Amino acid sequence: SAVISQKPSRDICQRGTSLTIQCQVDSQVTMMFWYRQQPGQSLTLIATANQGSEATYESGFVIDKFPISRPNLTFSTLTVSNMSPEDSSIYLCSVEGDNYGYTFGSGTRLTVV
Amino acid sequence: GEDVEQSLFLSVREGDSSVINCTYTDSSSTYLYWYKQEPGAGLQLLTYIFSNMDMKQDQRLTVLLNKKDKHLSLRIADTQTGDSAIYFCAEIPFTGGGNKLTFGTGTQLKVEL
Repeated sequence: SAVISQKPSRDICQRGTSLTIQCQVDSQVTMMFWYRQQPGQSLTLIATANQGSEATYESGFVIDKFPISRPNLTFSTLTVSNMSPEDSSIYLCSVEGDNYGYTFGSGTRLTVV
Repeated sequence: GEDVEQSLFLSVREGDSSVINCTYTDSSSTYLYWYKQEPGAGLQLLTYIFSNMDMKQDQRLTVLLNKKDKHLSLRIADTQTGDSAIYFCAEIPFTGGGNKLTFGTGTQLKVEL
């Protein structure tokens, strides 16, 4: 299975600022996925990122708030913009792995104060 | 739309079997997954089952699938304290288009001595 390095692992940020989360994969992948896990909740897909095209956002998520870059087949970033306390969550990236499984990064635990 | 439903909590004694249940939404879902999330960690893929199977066993894990009732279960034999975590079932709904994982609400398993 692919190995994903995600950073930062955690951060505490001031409201109104932005944070960029990075995911590096050890192999080339077509699609990368970004999820949000709010406290005590399940995972919700934010967007799907393909290399060479704009990310596809799920209902309730917009590019201005969560801009995504996908400069090559092994790397992607998610930015959480103009943060508010409601953005405090765990953010995870994911790729399709072997045998139809999906591999996840270790997550970024974001606290907005 | 419907949610992928799981009971929120399960408490078992060490050495007993644990059964975690899930009701998913799309009878056409091709792949169904079980993920484990330990405190402060990302998601670990435990096992998956194809929709043309009704059972899969992998060491201490047994997955049962009832397509008619859209019911998925995960049995953990000889449950250990290291099994304490949140367990998520997930599906790829055929109607969702592509390969978007939809997660259940998560079941927190507590293993007591």
